[in-house]
Amino acid sequence: AQKVTQAQTEISVVEKEDVTLDCVYETRDTTYYLFWYKQPPSGELVFLIRRNSFDEQNEISGRYSWNFQKSTSSFNFTITASQVVDSAVYFCALSEYTGFQKLVFGTGTRLLVSP
Amino acid sequence: ETGVTQSPTHLIKTRGQQVTLRCSSQSGHNTVSWYQQALGQGPQFIFQYYREEENGRGNFPPRFSGLQFPNYSSELNVNALELDDSALYLCASSHGTAIATYNSPLHFGNGTRLTVT
Repeated sequence: AQKVTQAQTEISVVEKEDVTLDCVYETRDTTYYLFWYKQPPSGELVFLIRRNSFDEQNEISGRYSWNFQKSTSSFNFTITASQVVDSAVYFCALSEYTGFQKLVFGTGTRLLVSP
Repeated sequence: ETGVTQSPTHLIKTRGQQVTLRCSSQSGHNTVSWYQQALGQGPQFIFQYYREEENGRGNFPPRFSGLQFPNYSSELNVNALELDDSALYLCASSHGTAIATYNSPLHFGNGTRLTVT
């Protein structure tokens, strides 16, 4: 069965601090996708990144970076020099290779960045 | 490029009633998925429609049903509403092919907040 665990319920940082959001997943498949989404107070889920299970290269996009490690089944997300606008709930999600796209989400990590 | 739009934004219903939620997919997208997000939880997959047919379903009872129209817009219908149906309902669209509908990321709308009293 698929499962995504985000153990950090809420993180509070001060602007310009770096912060890492943890994500651990479980799947029996060897082929799967991992995602991160951001959910601001407006409710919309904003797509941040998708990674397939064969691509373990870390990725950097501006202040965002992702560390994918199959050996530990983790897909962690780091925000460098956090800003107040980064305040949101962040979700990690997993999708196995089926005939349709079903995302299994973690319970989310609420990030609060204060000035 | 028009994003995913959902209506209404908020809705209050009474237990036992029926409700219809609507979603317009992003331009160029032919696949629509629906998710239920209870307060403080991650979204849960309800079902997915590809070219007007349901091609995947989560652990939701049959009173949750849907439609996808030729223009790829979609409806989610819930019959015999229960208090536990109170949640944010999110629609997401993507572009799929006949072989697989998982090749492009989901793009979500702002959701419909349903309250059942």
